[in-house]
Amino acid sequence: AQSVTQPDIHITVSEGASLELRCNYSYGATPYLFWYVQSPGQGLQLLLKYFSGDTLVQGIKGFEAEFKRSQSSFNLRKPSVHWSDAAEYFCAVGGYGGSQGNLIFGKGTKLSVKP
Amino acid sequence: DAGVTQSPTHLIKTRGQHVTLRCSPISGHKSVSWYQQVLGQGPQFIFQYYEKEERGRGNFPDRFSARQFPNYSSELNVNALLLGDSALYLCASSSRTGSIEQYFGPGTRLTVT
Repeated sequence: AQSVTQPDIHITVSEGASLELRCNYSYGATPYLFWYVQSPGQGLQLLLKYFSGDTLVQGIKGFEAEFKRSQSSFNLRKPSVHWSDAAEYFCAVGGYGGSQGNLIFGKGTKLSVKP
Repeated sequence: DAGVTQSPTHLIKTRGQHVTLRCSPISGHKSVSWYQQVLGQGPQFIFQYYEKEERGRGNFPDRFSARQFPNYSSELNVNALLLGDSALYLCASSSRTGSIEQYFGPGTRLTVT
């Protein structure tokens, strides 16, 4: 079955430190992959997406992610974290069977930033 | 341009009641999807509608229904509310059916007591 796993429930990093959030997926074909960010009480904002081509994709707010087919991973990175990055991050895979247009989400990783 | 809008922002209902949640997609977008996000979990797909027709349905009971109007806005209805229906309900719009690049609204927080 299609699924997304985010192994880290909660991560704390110091402001200015680098960040990597892990995402592994299970999918029968080439996946469409996404990272979304959710601030408390808010909806989801799209950070970046991978459809095809270059496996390193750039997103908004200085985030990037790398698609590694051999590892079924799509990890999110940022070289220097800002306090405003504290939020919950969701990895998602798109295209599910015959029901195109729905996303399967991981359970999320909550990011805390220490001053 | 306005993004996806949802109403109401919050509501509280009692077990057994019915609720209607509303969503207006981004202008020009014809597809609307609904997701349920229980506290501490990622969103789960409920429905997708395109051109007023249901194009996809997740693993939710028949108490959940939806419809899309000619102006592409949508309603999600939940009957016979259970405590477990308490969640953030998210609406997402995309430009066409099959497009998985979705833009989410702020959500409606439903509390069932």
